[in-house]
Amino acid sequence: AQKVTQAQTEISVVEKEDVTLDCVYETRDTTYYLFWYKQPPSGELVFLIRRNSFDEQNEISGRYSWNFQKSTSSFNFTITASQVVDSAVYFCALIASGGYNKLIFGAGTRLAVHP
Amino acid sequence: DTAVSQTPKYLVTQMGNDKSIKCEQNLGHDTMYWYKQDSKKFLKIMFSYNNKELIINETVPNRFSPKSPDKAHLNLHINSLELGDSAVYFCASSWTGYNSGNTIYFGEGSWLTVV
Repeated sequence: AQKVTQAQTEISVVEKEDVTLDCVYETRDTTYYLFWYKQPPSGELVFLIRRNSFDEQNEISGRYSWNFQKSTSSFNFTITASQVVDSAVYFCALIASGGYNKLIFGAGTRLAVHP
Repeated sequence: DTAVSQTPKYLVTQMGNDKSIKCEQNLGHDTMYWYKQDSKKFLKIMFSYNNKELIINETVPNRFSPKSPDKAHLNLHINSLELGDSAVYFCASSWTGYNSGNTIYFGEGSWLTVV
C-alpha cells in the first residue's frame, strides 16, 4: 500500500525564520515519484516540485529547497527566510509505479507566517 | 491564459438537485482527472480519463458521472446531491503513460455547497 504522512498539522513562524515541512512516504515500489503542492488561501493547487525515486539530489529553487532521503523515506521541504506570502497549506504527494498517474496526498501542513 | 479552467467556481444548491461542473485544459495533455477535497482538506482522486477513456474510477457513488467529450474537456455531473457532497472539486490534467509519474496540473477548484 502507498501512503504519505505529514505529521505536522500546523506550523506558525515569524517572518524571516526558516521552516521545514516534513514528509514521510510508504511504498513497496522501487520506481515512484514525489511531489509538493502549495494551496494558498485563494484555494488553487500550485505545483512546486517533482522528484523520481532514482534522483536523490537535493534541489534548491530560490528560498525553497527539498531534501530527498530514500534511507528514511522522507522528502522534506524547507523554506528559508519565510515571508507572509508563504502562508498556505502544503501537500506532499506520491505516485507509485504500476499504474496510471494516481496522486496519493498527505493530509497537508498549514503554514502561517506572521509579520 | 488559464491552463486548467473549471466552472463554476462557486455553487450553492439544494439537496436533491442535479448539477454539473465543467473543466477544460489548454495544455494539450491527454489525461484529465477529478479530485475531491473534503472539509478537512484531504485530497483524493475520483476519476481519470485518458483520451476520453475512463482509466481510474475510485469508489465513488454512482450519482457522480464524469463525461469526457474530447481530451481537452472533462465534466462532472452529480445527481441527487446530498449534504455530504459539499466539498471542493478539482479538475486536473497531465501527460500520462503507464508508470510515468508525470506532473499533474490542477484547476482553481469548484466550491460546492449543498444546503
